[in-house]
Amino acid sequence: GAVVSQHPSWVICKSGTSVKIECRSLDFQATTMFWYRQFPKQSLMLMATSNEGSKATYEQGVEKDKFLINHASLTLSTLTVTSAHPEDSSFYICSASPEGLASYNEQFFGPGTRLTVL
Amino acid sequence: AQTVTQSQPEMSVQEAETVTLSCTYDTSESDYYLFWYKQPPSRQMILVIRQEAYKQQNATENRFSVNFQKAAKSFSLKISDSQLGDAAMYFCAYSQSGGGADGLTFGKGTHLIIQP
Repeated sequence: GAVVSQHPSWVICKSGTSVKIECRSLDFQATTMFWYRQFPKQSLMLMATSNEGSKATYEQGVEKDKFLINHASLTLSTLTVTSAHPEDSSFYICSASPEGLASYNEQFFGPGTRLTVL
Repeated sequence: AQTVTQSQPEMSVQEAETVTLSCTYDTSESDYYLFWYKQPPSRQMILVIRQEAYKQQNATENRFSVNFQKAAKSFSLKISDSQLGDAAMYFCAYSQSGGGADGLTFGKGTHLIIQP
């Protein structure tokens, strides 16, 4: 099956620092990758959609200058939380869709990254 | 904007029994996709079942089946012969495409407890 990995699985950082989270599709090429945020005991909220080689599309209310997304290759997307603050603490999950008939393809989810900002 | 509503924050069922999780959604589109995802304590999202809106036949996957009522915008999940491993958060989700081109809109989730 299609596997998506995330690194790191858990990160703790100080307020004001930046943190980069990687999302990799291990056995397929991903035309499109998605980033979601999940607060404790809540649902997943779509943050942005990234397509390889183009700028990410952010959902309304998501600060694109705070959450920088780069999809430089068909197997890697990164989310950088800039100048992190405690309110950015959350669980971040990525998903990837295989190259091809993207409209009909399933999204495969990574295991998530827990970010704690002190 | 599309919305997905799960009105049952928590459900409990005896092992081997059947349980139904409810989901309603709102959309002005005629073609779309609906999903049920399972999130166990590991937090890895697992696709349980998927339904294309243009298909009248309800999707089934082994012990999991859906009751898709397009006119009522209802999409419930039935789990038969519940097993301890079914215990998890279950999220209903909507996508304009099959899920590959558009992000998913999730409901708030239902926490399913399986009583041994």
